[in-house]
Amino acid sequence: LAKTTQPISMDSYEGQEVNITCSHNNIATNDYITWYQQFPSQGPRFIIQGYKTKVKNEVASLFIPADRKSSTLSLPRVSLSDTAVYYCLVGDAGNTGRRALTFGSGTRLQVQP
Amino acid sequence: DSGVTQTPKHLITATGQRVTLRCSPRSGDLSVYWYQQSLDQGLQFLIQYYNGEERAKGNILERFSAQQFPDLHSELNLSSLELGDSALYFCASSPSHGEQKLFFGSGTQLSVL
Repeated sequence: LAKTTQPISMDSYEGQEVNITCSHNNIATNDYITWYQQFPSQGPRFIIQGYKTKVKNEVASLFIPADRKSSTLSLPRVSLSDTAVYYCLVGDAGNTGRRALTFGSGTRLQVQP
Repeated sequence: DSGVTQTPKHLITATGQRVTLRCSPRSGDLSVYWYQQSLDQGLQFLIQYYNGEERAKGNILERFSAQQFPDLHSELNLSSLELGDSALYFCASSPSHGEQKLFFGSGTQLSVL
Protein backbone atom coordinates (compact mmCIF):
# COMPACT_ATOMS: atom_id res chain seq x y z
CA LEU A 1 0.00 0.00 0.00
CA ALA A 2 1.17 3.48 -0.75
CA LYS A 3 2.22 5.46 2.30
CA THR A 4 2.91 9.10 2.91
CA THR A 5 5.37 10.48 5.43
CA GLN A 6 5.36 14.01 6.80
CA PRO A 7 7.10 15.73 9.71
CA ILE A 8 4.98 15.49 12.82
CA SER A 9 5.24 19.16 13.68
CA MET A 10 6.77 22.45 12.62
CA ASP A 11 7.09 25.84 14.25
CA SER A 12 7.26 29.19 12.53
CA TYR A 13 6.76 32.89 13.12
CA GLU A 14 4.36 35.28 11.51
CA GLY A 15 5.53 36.57 8.16
CA GLN A 16 7.86 33.66 7.43
CA GLU A 17 7.60 31.19 4.57
CA VAL A 18 6.85 27.63 5.62
CA ASN A 19 7.69 24.55 3.56
CA ILE A 20 6.17 21.18 4.46
CA THR A 21 7.44 18.11 2.64
CA CYS A 22 5.55 14.87 2.10
CA SER A 23 7.20 11.64 0.92
CA HIS A 24 5.13 9.25 -1.20
CA ASN A 25 7.46 6.69 -2.71
CA ASN A 26 4.75 4.41 -4.08
CA ILE A 27 2.67 7.03 -5.83
CA ALA A 28 0.79 5.61 -8.81
CA THR A 29 1.18 7.00 -12.30
CA ASN A 30 -2.31 8.44 -12.42
CA ASP A 31 -2.36 9.85 -8.90
CA TYR A 32 -2.50 13.52 -8.11
CA ILE A 33 -1.04 15.00 -4.94
CA THR A 34 -3.48 16.98 -2.87
CA TRP A 35 -2.96 18.99 0.29
CA TYR A 36 -5.51 19.76 2.95
CA GLN A 37 -5.67 22.02 5.99
CA GLN A 38 -7.54 21.05 9.14
CA PHE A 39 -8.45 23.15 12.16
CA PRO A 40 -9.46 21.48 15.45
CA SER A 41 -12.89 19.83 15.35
CA GLN A 42 -13.41 20.79 11.71
CA GLY A 43 -13.30 18.79 8.52
CA PRO A 44 -10.22 19.12 6.31
CA ARG A 45 -10.28 21.83 3.68
CA PHE A 46 -8.70 21.57 0.24
CA ILE A 47 -5.64 23.80 -0.29
CA ILE A 48 -3.94 22.81 -3.52
CA GLN A 49 -3.49 19.95 -5.96
CA GLY A 50 -0.85 19.05 -8.51
CA TYR A 51 0.57 16.29 -10.68
CA LYS A 52 4.11 17.43 -11.43
CA THR A 53 6.39 20.49 -11.42
CA LYS A 54 4.88 23.52 -9.75
CA VAL A 55 1.37 24.68 -9.01
CA LYS A 56 0.41 27.96 -7.41
CA ASN A 57 -2.81 29.50 -6.21
CA GLU A 58 -3.76 32.44 -4.00
CA VAL A 59 -3.08 30.45 -0.85
CA ALA A 60 -0.05 28.25 -1.46
CA SER A 61 2.45 26.76 -3.89
CA LEU A 62 3.12 23.09 -4.50
CA PHE A 63 6.46 21.81 -5.75
CA ILE A 64 6.73 18.28 -7.15
CA PRO A 65 10.05 16.89 -8.43
CA ALA A 66 10.29 14.89 -11.63
CA ASP A 67 10.24 11.51 -9.85
CA ARG A 68 7.07 12.56 -7.97
CA LYS A 69 8.19 10.65 -4.88
CA SER A 70 7.77 13.72 -2.73
CA SER A 71 6.04 17.05 -2.74
CA THR A 72 6.48 20.31 -0.85
CA LEU A 73 3.70 22.61 0.22
CA SER A 74 4.88 26.19 0.52
CA LEU A 75 2.92 28.73 2.56
CA PRO A 76 4.15 32.29 1.98
CA ARG A 77 4.18 34.76 4.85
CA VAL A 78 2.21 32.71 7.37
CA SER A 79 -0.07 34.28 9.96
CA LEU A 80 -1.44 33.04 13.27
CA SER A 81 -4.54 31.79 11.47
CA ASP A 82 -2.39 29.33 9.51
CA THR A 83 -1.87 27.33 12.70
CA ALA A 84 -3.42 23.99 11.75
CA VAL A 85 -2.65 20.43 10.71
CA TYR A 86 -1.65 19.96 7.08
CA TYR A 87 -2.17 16.66 5.28
CA CYS A 88 -0.97 15.41 1.95
CA LEU A 89 -3.15 12.93 0.13
CA VAL A 90 -2.34 10.52 -2.68
CA GLY A 91 -4.27 7.63 -4.17
CA ASP A 92 -3.69 4.20 -2.67
CA ALA A 93 -4.30 0.86 -4.39
CA GLY A 94 -6.08 -1.36 -1.89
CA ASN A 95 -6.49 -5.11 -1.90
CA THR A 96 -9.55 -4.92 -4.09
CA GLY A 97 -7.64 -3.08 -6.75
CA ARG A 98 -9.74 -0.02 -6.08
CA ARG A 99 -8.03 3.09 -4.87
CA ALA A 100 -8.44 4.23 -1.28
CA LEU A 101 -7.67 7.87 -0.55
CA THR A 102 -5.30 7.65 2.38
CA PHE A 103 -4.17 10.70 4.28
CA GLY A 104 -0.73 10.93 5.83
CA SER A 105 -0.24 11.47 9.53
CA GLY A 106 -0.29 15.20 9.04
CA THR A 107 2.02 18.02 10.06
CA ARG A 108 0.99 20.22 12.94
CA LEU A 109 2.09 23.76 12.13
CA GLN A 110 2.30 26.21 15.00
CA VAL A 111 2.73 29.86 14.05
CA GLN A 112 4.01 32.17 16.76
CA PRO A 113 3.60 35.94 16.88
CA ASP B 1 -19.81 25.73 4.13
CA SER B 2 -18.65 22.74 2.10
CA GLY B 3 -22.17 21.67 1.12
CA VAL B 4 -21.76 18.30 2.82
CA THR B 5 -24.20 17.73 5.68
CA GLN B 6 -23.59 15.30 8.50
CA THR B 7 -26.05 14.41 11.22
CA PRO B 8 -26.06 14.25 14.11
CA LYS B 9 -23.25 16.59 15.15
CA HIS B 10 -22.85 14.87 18.49
CA LEU B 11 -23.76 11.40 19.64
CA ILE B 12 -23.35 9.93 23.09
CA THR B 13 -24.04 6.27 23.64
CA ALA B 14 -22.98 3.28 25.70
CA THR B 15 -20.76 0.32 24.96
CA GLY B 16 -22.47 -2.46 23.06
CA GLN B 17 -24.95 -0.15 21.38
CA ARG B 18 -25.47 0.52 17.68
CA VAL B 19 -25.60 3.93 16.01
CA THR B 20 -26.14 5.29 12.53
CA LEU B 21 -24.36 8.33 11.15
CA ARG B 22 -25.82 10.09 8.17
CA CYS B 23 -24.21 12.05 5.36
CA SER B 24 -25.72 14.09 2.55
CA PRO B 25 -23.15 14.86 -0.15
CA ARG B 26 -22.88 18.09 -2.11
CA SER B 27 -25.48 18.45 -4.81
CA GLY B 28 -24.30 16.52 -7.87
CA ASP B 29 -21.51 14.59 -6.12
CA LEU B 30 -21.67 10.85 -6.68
CA SER B 31 -18.86 9.70 -4.40
CA VAL B 32 -19.04 9.55 -0.63
CA TYR B 33 -16.10 8.79 1.65
CA TRP B 34 -16.06 8.00 5.36
CA TYR B 35 -13.11 8.76 7.64
CA GLN B 36 -12.49 8.21 11.33
CA GLN B 37 -10.37 10.56 13.41
CA SER B 38 -9.58 9.64 16.99
CA LEU B 39 -8.31 12.22 19.46
CA ASP B 40 -5.05 13.70 18.20
CA GLN B 41 -4.87 11.10 15.45
CA GLY B 42 -4.81 11.39 11.71
CA LEU B 43 -7.63 10.64 9.33
CA GLN B 44 -8.25 6.94 8.88
CA PHE B 45 -10.00 6.03 5.65
CA LEU B 46 -12.92 3.67 6.20
CA ILE B 47 -14.85 3.24 2.98
CA GLN B 48 -15.89 4.89 -0.27
CA TYR B 49 -19.09 4.60 -2.28
CA TYR B 50 -19.69 5.75 -5.79
CA ASN B 51 -23.21 6.03 -7.16
CA GLY B 52 -24.50 3.42 -4.74
CA GLU B 53 -21.70 0.91 -5.05
CA GLU B 54 -18.79 0.25 -2.74
CA ARG B 55 -15.66 1.51 -4.46
CA ALA B 56 -12.81 1.20 -1.99
CA LYS B 57 -12.35 -0.13 1.48
CA GLY B 58 -9.86 0.86 4.14
CA ASN B 59 -9.29 -0.53 7.61
CA ILE B 60 -12.96 -0.67 8.43
CA LEU B 61 -13.92 -2.98 11.26
CA GLU B 62 -16.37 -5.80 10.65
CA ARG B 63 -18.63 -4.18 13.26
CA PHE B 64 -18.93 -1.18 10.94
CA SER B 65 -20.90 -1.08 7.73
CA ALA B 66 -22.03 1.55 5.31
CA GLN B 67 -24.26 2.06 2.34
CA GLN B 68 -25.15 4.69 -0.19
CA PHE B 69 -28.78 5.08 -1.13
CA PRO B 70 -30.36 5.91 -4.52
CA ASP B 71 -30.66 9.56 -3.49
CA LEU B 72 -26.88 9.43 -2.89
CA HIS B 73 -26.97 10.04 0.83
CA SER B 74 -24.91 7.61 2.86
CA GLU B 75 -25.12 6.03 6.27
CA LEU B 76 -22.38 4.58 8.41
CA ASN B 77 -23.55 1.97 10.88
CA LEU B 78 -21.44 1.22 13.93
CA SER B 79 -22.45 -1.72 16.08
CA SER B 80 -21.27 -3.42 19.28
CA LEU B 81 -19.64 -0.14 20.15
CA GLU B 82 -16.49 -0.08 22.22
CA LEU B 83 -14.82 2.75 24.11
CA GLY B 84 -12.16 2.91 21.42
CA ASP B 85 -14.75 3.76 18.80
CA SER B 86 -15.09 7.23 20.29
CA ALA B 87 -13.92 9.56 17.55
CA LEU B 88 -14.87 12.19 15.03
CA TYR B 89 -16.38 10.61 11.95
CA PHE B 90 -16.14 12.64 8.78
CA CYS B 91 -17.94 12.24 5.55
CA ALA B 92 -16.60 13.72 2.34
CA SER B 93 -17.92 13.86 -1.19
CA SER B 94 -16.58 14.40 -4.68
CA PRO B 95 -18.12 14.52 -8.13
CA SER B 96 -16.65 11.19 -9.29
CA HIS B 97 -14.71 8.23 -7.95
CA GLY B 98 -11.32 9.33 -9.22
CA GLU B 99 -11.31 12.76 -7.61
CA GLN B 100 -8.83 13.70 -4.91
CA LYS B 101 -10.41 17.05 -4.21
CA LEU B 102 -12.80 16.13 -1.47
CA PHE B 103 -15.33 18.28 0.31
CA PHE B 104 -15.66 17.38 3.96
CA GLY B 105 -18.59 17.74 6.28
CA SER B 106 -18.22 19.10 9.79
CA GLY B 107 -18.23 15.62 11.28
CA THR B 108 -20.11 13.63 13.89
CA GLN B 109 -18.50 13.46 17.31
CA LEU B 110 -19.21 10.02 18.75
CA SER B 111 -18.65 9.42 22.43
CA VAL B 112 -18.98 5.87 23.73
CA LEU B 113 -19.28 5.73 27.50
